[in-house]
Amino acid sequence: GAVVSQHPSRVICKSGTSVKIECRSLDFQATTMFWYRQFPKQSLMLMATSNEGSKATYEQGVEKDKFLINHASLTLSTLTVTSAHPEDSSFYICSVERGDLGEQYFGPGTRLTVT
Amino acid sequence: KQEVTQIPAALSVPEGENLVLNCSFTDSAIYNLQWFRQDPGKGLTSLLLIQSSQREQTSGRLNASLDKSSGRSTLYIAASQPGDSATYLCAVTLYNTDKLIFGTGTRLQVFP
Repeated sequence: GAVVSQHPSRVICKSGTSVKIECRSLDFQATTMFWYRQFPKQSLMLMATSNEGSKATYEQGVEKDKFLINHASLTLSTLTVTSAHPEDSSFYICSVERGDLGEQYFGPGTRLTVT
Repeated sequence: KQEVTQIPAALSVPEGENLVLNCSFTDSAIYNLQWFRQDPGKGLTSLLLIQSSQREQTSGRLNASLDKSSGRSTLYIAASQPGDSATYLCAVTLYNTDKLIFGTGTRLQVFP
């Protein structure tokens, strides 16, 4: 398996501010990490694929200037929600891909509330 | 466009029952299929991964089957326990991509 951590687990911020969420791979070096968003009672939706040392690949409909992703090392990817609005309130989960089978391991998630 | 659907959306059963959760996908060109468990407000725990060339995988009381040609997978939980209460998600990975496409989930409650 793989151990993935996220920080913070919960964050409340005011509308218009920016919030950074960290995703760390604790026990192996992850070339690829993924960021998902989950609204209440809905399934996870992939936001972007984060590749170490290169620009992230965003899914259709996800604003890359609003959701900044930085994968500066093989153990850390960050997601910054810029100029957050109440509609950005959601559960954000990252994952790392490990092994030839394409198995993904998920972090515990970050609950963002924008007031 | 790949779409993944899970039935039922919610299920409530007494402890000890054997139960089946269903997952269907529209595009059979998948690389693998995974079943996950999600507890309220928590991240995902991987339960089973089935490669496209496999028919089933087993782990303890869990058994997952895959019929790629019909676009279906089932997760069988034997002798259910209250601790099994959670949301169960299936997800497929398409060929030539690392992306997971998730189903809508089945919310399971097992009562004593």
